[in-house]
Amino acid sequence: QKEVEQNSGPLSVPEGAIASLNCTYSDRGSQSFFWYRQYSGKSPELIMSIYSNGDKEDGRFTAQLNKASQYVSLLIRDSQPSDSATYLCDAENYGGSQGNLIFGKGTKLSVKP
Amino acid sequence: NAGVMQNPRHLVRRRGQEARLRCSPMKGHSHVYWYRQLPEEGLKFMVYLQKENIIDESGMPKERFSAEFPKEGPSILRIQQVVRGDSAAYFCASSIQGGHEQYFGPGTRLTVT
Repeated sequence: QKEVEQNSGPLSVPEGAIASLNCTYSDRGSQSFFWYRQYSGKSPELIMSIYSNGDKEDGRFTAQLNKASQYVSLLIRDSQPSDSATYLCDAENYGGSQGNLIFGKGTKLSVKP
Repeated sequence: NAGVMQNPRHLVRRRGQEARLRCSPMKGHSHVYWYRQLPEEGLKFMVYLQKENIIDESGMPKERFSAEFPKEGPSILRIQQVVRGDSAAYFCASSIQGGHEQYFGPGTRLTVT
């Protein structure tokens, strides 16, 4: 059973701090990794994509991928109350059989003013 | 520059009726995904389609649920003989290729009475 695991939280950080969200995946063949943000009652929106080992930065967001450890993380610098949402990790593998598209259950982030 | 469109946004059906949910992908996208989300739960993958083809239906219940993405027109998720447990938010997403970023529609909230 292929899985993507995330700590459900809630993860609470003070405004201005760094929020660190983590995700592990079981399918070694996963090639594409994405972070989505979902506000309560809304649809998910793409935050970051990462395809190769290392770090990828976009504004206040940094995605980190370590394929050897099967680990993906998202760092949010200078956290703002508007970052309070559920963050979903997605790992995808389109080189193999079915069941290649797996979302984690999400980590709920709360940024306190 | 329209995004992913879903309709209806809200759908109320009595037990035993059929529900038909529509999704028009972003312009230029030929890959469509359907997800179900129960209140306070994670996003559950249902089916992945390309035009006229089902690529991955590993998340689709074996009975009562079907999906199509015809050559012309929107993708349709069809639920026959709905039951109360089908009440959920159904999200559609599209991408330019498999394994690439997905863009989500606003969702259809299905309520079965």
